[in-house]
Amino acid sequence: GDSVTQMEGPVTLSEEAFLTINCTYTATGYPSLFWYVQYPGEGLQLLLKATKADDKGSNKGFEATYRKETTSFHLEKGSVQVSDSAVYFCALSWGGTGGFKTIFGAGTRLFVKA
Amino acid sequence: EAGVTQFPSHSVIEKGQTVTLRCDPISGHDNLYWYRRVMGKEIKFLLHFVKESKQDESGMPNNRFLAERTGGTYSTLKVQPAELEDSGVYFCASSQHSGGRGNEQFFGPGTRLTVL
Repeated sequence: GDSVTQMEGPVTLSEEAFLTINCTYTATGYPSLFWYVQYPGEGLQLLLKATKADDKGSNKGFEATYRKETTSFHLEKGSVQVSDSAVYFCALSWGGTGGFKTIFGAGTRLFVKA
Repeated sequence: EAGVTQFPSHSVIEKGQTVTLRCDPISGHDNLYWYRRVMGKEIKFLLHFVKESKQDESGMPNNRFLAERTGGTYSTLKVQPAELEDSGVYFCASSQHSGGRGNEQFFGPGTRLTVL
């Protein structure tokens, strides 16, 4: 069945360091891909998304490119801040009328030190 | 506009007791989903309502879990009787009626359930 695999955490970085969180997926066809973020004490928030191959999603300095050939959707940020400390979830879902369920990875916790 | 809300934020119960979680979706969202994250693992789908009807309940773990959405507004998820392995964070999400690629689901803050 469909699945999402992301790198295990926690990831600890110093402020202004470069961030990469790897994500690969297994799915039949071409789903939409997402990164969600959960800040301490808050719910899940959509960070960015890409709906077709070669699309790049971006938000708040984060980027991820939908790579069909490697079935990947790695999250990157050039310079992290302490406020980026959170748990990041890679996810996929399928479009269609009536809505659809989302399949998540296990989450990667990021700690950014000042 | 209010987001998805969940109540309670945290519940601690003993094994064998009953707990009911509530989710209020964004007004006008026909689609409502329940998910669960257990022991720091992946967030897993439980079920999906379209209005008051269960569209997909393939993720419900067993018959101790009962979800309802009377009137197509808020939803409840009852666990009876609760077991230790039910501990985790239960998320609710909602989305608009029209599907399509990249249709965003809006998540609530989650209910953290601890079964002792």
